[in-house]
Amino acid sequence: EVQLLESGGGLVQPGGSLRLSCAASGFTFSSYAMSWVRQAPGKGLEWVSAISGSGNSIFYADSVKGRFTISRDSSKNTLYLQMNSLRAEDTAVYYCAKGEYSSSSGSFDYWGQGTLVTVSS
Amino acid sequence: QPVLTQPTSLSASPGASARFTCTLRSGINVGSYRIYWYQQKPGSLPRYLLRYKSDSDKQQGSGVPSRFSGSKDASTNAGLLLISGLQSEDEADYYCAIWYSSTSWVFGGGTKLTVL
Repeated sequence: EVQLLESGGGLVQPGGSLRLSCAASGFTFSSYAMSWVRQAPGKGLEWVSAISGSGNSIFYADSVKGRFTISRDSSKNTLYLQMNSLRAEDTAVYYCAKGEYSSSSGSFDYWGQGTLVTVSS
Repeated sequence: QPVLTQPTSLSASPGASARFTCTLRSGINVGSYRIYWYQQKPGSLPRYLLRYKSDSDKQQGSGVPSRFSGSKDASTNAGLLLISGLQSEDEADYYCAIWYSSTSWVFGGGTKLTVL
């Protein structure tokens, strides 16, 4: 059974940093792309970043480029999102999502429960 | 103008059909893209429903009933999600998405379905 468990969310001041983790199990982690997708309170889904199964291809939404860094550790079956220079508009539930393929172009077929990030002073 | 535009809301009666539209911005050809559809019920995770590019390139999500189907309307440059035999449990937000320019995922703003 595929399981994705996010952690690392919390309250942070504007300009601060936070690192999210997503522990994966139930599938061969290195064979699948992974993404982070966020959802601000009462709003729609917004894709944040994706990383291929090999880790060689990485993509970011323009809204987070230069501030967020996605990475993965296949030895730990864990996906990460390092978030720096956080802004109020980054407040959202952050979901990690498993891709359908090793490349980032396939569907998000499994989703984690999400972790809430609140940016506020 | 957003890359993907969805109506904010849609209402339909139990047993009827619902037709969701996902309109691509002018200059972005719907024929070139797989359109992905996700369902999110209140307080729940998003769920992958299906993808549609053409009748020969389509996929149903795992466990998704056949009353959910995809299509396109080239005349309006839109991807379509069709739900037949509506049930109260279909009340949810529905999002379309594309893998845009091979560099980023784009979601539509979502359509809230009310089954009255």
